[in-house]
Amino acid sequence: QVQLVQSGAEVKKPGASVKISCKTSGYTFTHYVIHWVRQVPGQRLEWMGWINPGNEYTQFSQNFQGRLDMTRDTSTNTAYMELSHLLSEDSAVYFCAKDNGDYFDFWGQGTQVTVSS
Amino acid sequence: SYELIQAASVSVGLGQTATVTCGGDKIGNKNVHWYQQKSGLAPMVVIYRNNKRPSGIPERFSGSNSENTATLTISGVQAGDEADYFCHVWDRTTVVFGGGTRVTVL
Repeated sequence: QVQLVQSGAEVKKPGASVKISCKTSGYTFTHYVIHWVRQVPGQRLEWMGWINPGNEYTQFSQNFQGRLDMTRDTSTNTAYMELSHLLSEDSAVYFCAKDNGDYFDFWGQGTQVTVSS
Repeated sequence: SYELIQAASVSVGLGQTATVTCGGDKIGNKNVHWYQQKSGLAPMVVIYRNNKRPSGIPERFSGSNSENTATLTISGVQAGDEADYFCHVWDRTTVVFGGGTRVTVL
């Protein structure tokens, strides 16, 4: 069965970077885009961008241009999202999600990131 | 940028019908997807491409999309349907989510 398992919670200081992993299984990793979405609890989902694991092509929301990177490791079927120059407003739960053409059919469990001095 | 408008909350009696709307400019020309998110959990798709139900999603969940409004309908609401519901479309190469509607079952 398809699974996306994310790395654990992170606590970072303002200005630092965070890198979250999303290990996938149960399908052909390189055939489906992976998206990253974040959510402040109780608020809306915010799309961050996507990576095509097949060719490593990425597309980012303009809200994160310059401080967001997405990579993948095809040997472990894992996608990564790195956000730099963290602000307190970046404290949120971060999700990875598998794209099935145009909708997200499977999601990771979420990773809490707390940015605090 | 493209915007999706959802009511913040909807209350519905047990066994009644809940209607969750998602407004957007000419949204009827787009494919709309709906996600259910229960407290503390990841979202889960309940309707994709306007009116298609993934396997395992009960028939009481249905969707429609026309002109400027997409609608998620939950018939015979059960207590377990209490959750936040988000609509989703693509705007060119960008993903757009609605603000979410909290469905409360009375």
